[in-house]
Amino acid sequence: GENVEQHPSTLSVQEGDSAVIKCTYSDSASNYFPWYKQELGKRPQLIIDIRSNVGEKKDQRIAVTLNKTAKHFSLHITETQPEDSAVYFCAATSTSGTYKYIFGTGTRLKVLA
Amino acid sequence: AAGVIQSPRHLIKEKRETATLKCYPIPRHDTVYWYQQGPGQDPQFLISFYEKMQSDKGSIPDRFSAQQFSDYHSELNMSSLELGDSALYFCASSFGQGAFFGPGTRLTVL
Repeated sequence: GENVEQHPSTLSVQEGDSAVIKCTYSDSASNYFPWYKQELGKRPQLIIDIRSNVGEKKDQRIAVTLNKTAKHFSLHITETQPEDSAVYFCAATSTSGTYKYIFGTGTRLKVLA
Repeated sequence: AAGVIQSPRHLIKEKRETATLKCYPIPRHDTVYWYQQGPGQDPQFLISFYEKMQSDKGSIPDRFSAQQFSDYHSELNMSSLELGDSALYFCASSFGQGAFFGPGTRLTVL
């Protein structure tokens, strides 16, 4: 069935450094890939997304890249700040005929001040 | 901007009891999703509705059922509750791409 693998499970970086989280998906029909940030006890919040017809998208300090051939996509956070500390989930879905997001297992990012 | 509303926010039940969780999607969103998230786990897809019709089913136990009403709100009904059902239950809604999550209902089964 559909599966999304996410690495690493935990990541600690110094404030100001960059963080990279990688995901691999199995369903070749997937064509939309959102990233969510979840703080402890709170809801997942959509922070950026990418569609399969685009290779890269950037929003201030956050960027996503997609390699559709290899079926993997990555989240890049530059100039990390303590408030970036949270759990980040990648997800994959197909926009035709299915209505479900399959989540990766999450990455706990800790930004050390 | 209006967000997804879930009620109740917290619920405590005994084993074998029933529970009903409610979700009010963002206005004009046509798709509703239910997710279950255990401590330290990723959100697990339960079920979704598109335009009030059940769309996809995930790892939803037979003891659970859900429906979406004419006003687009959705309810997740959980019967014969087990200790393992204790979790955060999120509802999300979308119109096109990008699902937006509600604040969740924390269910504790004693």
